[in-house]
Amino acid sequence: EVQVMESGGGLVQPGGSLRLSCAVSGFTFNNYWMTWVRQAPGKGLEWVASIKQDGSETYYVDSVKGRFTISRDSAKNSLYLQMNSLRADDTAVYYCARVQTGTVYRTFDYWGQGTLVTVSS
Amino acid sequence: DIVMTQSPDSLAVSLGERATINCKSSQSVLYDSNDKDYLSWYQQKPGQPPKLLIYWASTRESGVPDRFSGSGSGTDFTLTISSLQAEDVAVYYCQQYYSLPLTFGQGTKLEIK
Repeated sequence: EVQVMESGGGLVQPGGSLRLSCAVSGFTFNNYWMTWVRQAPGKGLEWVASIKQDGSETYYVDSVKGRFTISRDSAKNSLYLQMNSLRADDTAVYYCARVQTGTVYRTFDYWGQGTLVTVSS
Repeated sequence: DIVMTQSPDSLAVSLGERATINCKSSQSVLYDSNDKDYLSWYQQKPGQPPKLLIYWASTRESGVPDRFSGSGSGTDFTLTISSLQAEDVAVYYCQQYYSLPLTFGQGTKLEIK
């Protein structure tokens, strides 16, 4: 059974940093692109970043470029999102999701339950 | 960026009736080389993560009831629920994965009339 579980969310002050983790099981982690998607309270879904199987390619939405870094550790079957210079508009539930087999240009077939990040003083 | 626009924003349908949600992309998401539309539909129930329903515009994900169907090509797409069940109350999102940044529609809230 495929399982995806995020952790690391919490309350952080504007300008602060936070590192999200996503532990996966039930599939061969090294075979899939992975992605982060966020959802502000009461709002829609926004793609944040994606990373290739070997970590050699990463892509970001413009609003987080230069502030967020996506990474992965195959030995730990884990995905990460390092978030720096956080702003109030980064407040959201952050979901980790598996990208369907293939390239970055595929749908998201398994999602975690999400972890809430709140940026506030 | 490809802008995805869903209509309507909200919809109330009687149990057992048909529900139709539309999604329009600002440019075609049909990839000519493989003749596939890079379009997905997701269902999100309150307090839950999104769930994949449909990909390649019309391919139903494993385990999704056959009352859910997707259609359309190019820039205009439709999600149809043939006979609405109480458990279908949710927000539905379309998403294009044709080009970066990957983008979602604003969502359509489906309720029981």
